[in-house]
Amino acid sequence: QKEVEQDPGPLSVPEGAIVSLNCTYSNSAFQYFMWYRQYSRKGPELLMYTYSSGNKEDGRFTAQVDKSSKYISLFIRDSQPSDSATYLCAMSDASNYQLIWGAGTKLIIKP
Amino acid sequence: NAGVTQTPKFRVLKTGQSMTLLCAQDMNHEYMYWYRQDPGMGLRLIHYSVGEGTTAKGEVPDGYNVSRLKKQNFLLGLESAAPSQTSVYFCASSYTGKGYEQYFGPGTRLTVT
Repeated sequence: QKEVEQDPGPLSVPEGAIVSLNCTYSNSAFQYFMWYRQYSRKGPELLMYTYSSGNKEDGRFTAQVDKSSKYISLFIRDSQPSDSATYLCAMSDASNYQLIWGAGTKLIIKP
Repeated sequence: NAGVTQTPKFRVLKTGQSMTLLCAQDMNHEYMYWYRQDPGMGLRLIHYSVGEGTTAKGEVPDGYNVSRLKKQNFLLGLESAAPSQTSVYFCASSYTGKGYEQYFGPGTRLTVT
């Protein structure tokens, strides 16, 4: 079993829809939870970062962490074709420098 | 600022050949990382460095060596390339060691035949 599980998709939704992307994890020591966005043939870029539990909102993006269920989510409101990319979750505990990555979910927003 | 740059962008090697991938960052970051990305596997850490002159093994270090002689540069070497090393290689850097604020380069696509 991988430490971090993420559905690879692709997830295809119409423009304007609300998108929900998710990851589950097994290591209860994880404290830092990140979402990166990766456009085709580019490097990942940090989108959202959350420490411990709770919600964080940034414009059309909301990140949620439920540590009791070991489940994190990224919501995208009013999705745009420019949101089409692969979304990678990543997480780490406080003891080392290594991020543990999900495999990424490919998201397609249809105009 | 150029951010994180990687050289070369593409390379094809034959089994047994060697090569060095160069990563450079102009953000004065202490921490640098080398990852490989394979379909369905996500990003896997090969080696990392917490400062000039230091290196450490990540999750998948076998077959690779690294050096950090200057703070801004992090080199990844393949001494004897194997087809299993066909992958996309990303370099990243961060100011802190907590890892969440990593900045990535554009990647190097390596094919080993």
